[in-house]
Amino acid sequence: EIVLTQSPGTLSLSPGDGATLSCRASQTINYNYLAWYQQKPGQAPRLLIYGVSSRATGIPDRFSGSGSGTDFTLTISRLEPEDFAVYYCQQYGGSQAFGPGTKVDIK
Amino acid sequence: VQVLESGGGLVQPGGSLRLSCAASGFTFNSYAMSWVRQAPGKGLEWVSGISGPGGDTYYADSVKGRFIISRDNSKNTVYLQMRSLRADDTAVYYCARETATYYGPEDYWGQGTLVTVSS
Repeated sequence: EIVLTQSPGTLSLSPGDGATLSCRASQTINYNYLAWYQQKPGQAPRLLIYGVSSRATGIPDRFSGSGSGTDFTLTISRLEPEDFAVYYCQQYGGSQAFGPGTKVDIK
Repeated sequence: VQVLESGGGLVQPGGSLRLSCAASGFTFNSYAMSWVRQAPGKGLEWVSGISGPGGDTYYADSVKGRFIISRDNSKNTVYLQMRSLRADDTAVYYCARETATYYGPEDYWGQGTLVTVSS
């Protein structure tokens, strides 16, 4: 079973700043089966990135994903007010696992 | 695409509950489906998944042997039968469509149904 860790736990930033969120897996993630989600309070998660670096439908290009093997990154180039939320990485492919999340809040 | 959960509620420890998830707006048997839960104030926890045809099922270790996922492709519905419920099963349970027939992340989610396990 793959265990995902995310860092930092909380990121305090201002609108317009760039954000870099990290996700590390306990073992190699095969087939690039790594996704990122955004969740706002009281809402269901929203798929942002799948296959490490492919943006889901309707996701703006300020969101980008990268990485391979066990280390992955979600980058938000310039934070918009609506981007302040919790972000989760996920390993999928049969069994799945989510990371504990990174909260991006307003500084 | 719509996904709508039902069946949540209050249940005593050791009890059972069956959740349903009705889907519409897509060719149901072509997509795997998952259940993901979120305890109050906590992160997301994947619970179980089932392939489009229904022949492949997957479970988190925390629910293996207690929960059963199934689907009725004639009714466009997926189910989660939960038994031997414990306090730490208390959560909002989300049903979600995966992006492929067998393996994929979840691209459409319901709004969730709350399960509370308490005496």
